[in-house]
Amino acid sequence: QVQLQESGPGLVKPSQTLSLTCTVSGGSISSGSYYWSWIRQPAGKGLEWIGRIYTSGSTNYNPSLKSRVTISVDTSKNQFSLKLSSVTAADTAVYYCARVDTAMVTYDYWGQGTLVTVSS
Amino acid sequence: QSALTQPASVSGSPGQSITISCTGTSSDVGSYNLVSWYQQHPGKAPKLMIYEVSKRPSGVSNRFSGSKSGNTASLTISGLQAEDEADYYCCSYAGSSTFEVFGGGTKLTVL
Repeated sequence: QVQLQESGPGLVKPSQTLSLTCTVSGGSISSGSYYWSWIRQPAGKGLEWIGRIYTSGSTNYNPSLKSRVTISVDTSKNQFSLKLSSVTAADTAVYYCARVDTAMVTYDYWGQGTLVTVSS
Repeated sequence: QSALTQPASVSGSPGQSITISCTGTSSDVGSYNLVSWYQQHPGKAPKLMIYEVSKRPSGVSNRFSGSKSGNTASLTISGLQAEDEADYYCCSYAGSSTFEVFGGGTKLTVL
């Protein structure tokens, strides 16, 4: 059973960089045809797709966040990471990592989510 | 990247059927049979309920079904149960520039 777990600071100051890591267990991040994605959800609001990475290192980002987002992968650690720069209060949200089947474009496994608050 | 349009809320009594719509455009829902639906209970991660418009993952009740017509996809839940009360989100592939887009979510209340 594949499991994903987000980790990182729960509090980030405005203008700084938000950094999160997703650790994948129960399977190799390099096996199969999957993208590894980040999605966020502000309190009481809907889901927003942030971006994704393939284990080859190929990335795709939400056009509205592209200038601030970097997603990377470390296959040796079975992890992938998110960096979001120049954060503001609007970036406060629960951040989820998820596995995406490339053919069906389905988010079949999700992490439990981690709340990141942007505040001084 | 505009979110897909869903009704903010729907409700139904136990045993009844409800349908949640998800309206996109000819660039996303209308162009690809890559619409999926997710159920999210409070404080929990979303769970895949329907993929490729109408397919159910193993373990998902056959009370859940999906369909699509033009730019609008729909999720139908029949025989409503109290445990179905949750938020539901649709998601569609939107091409190689926009990639994926989610709906704004629909809160289902079981009366």
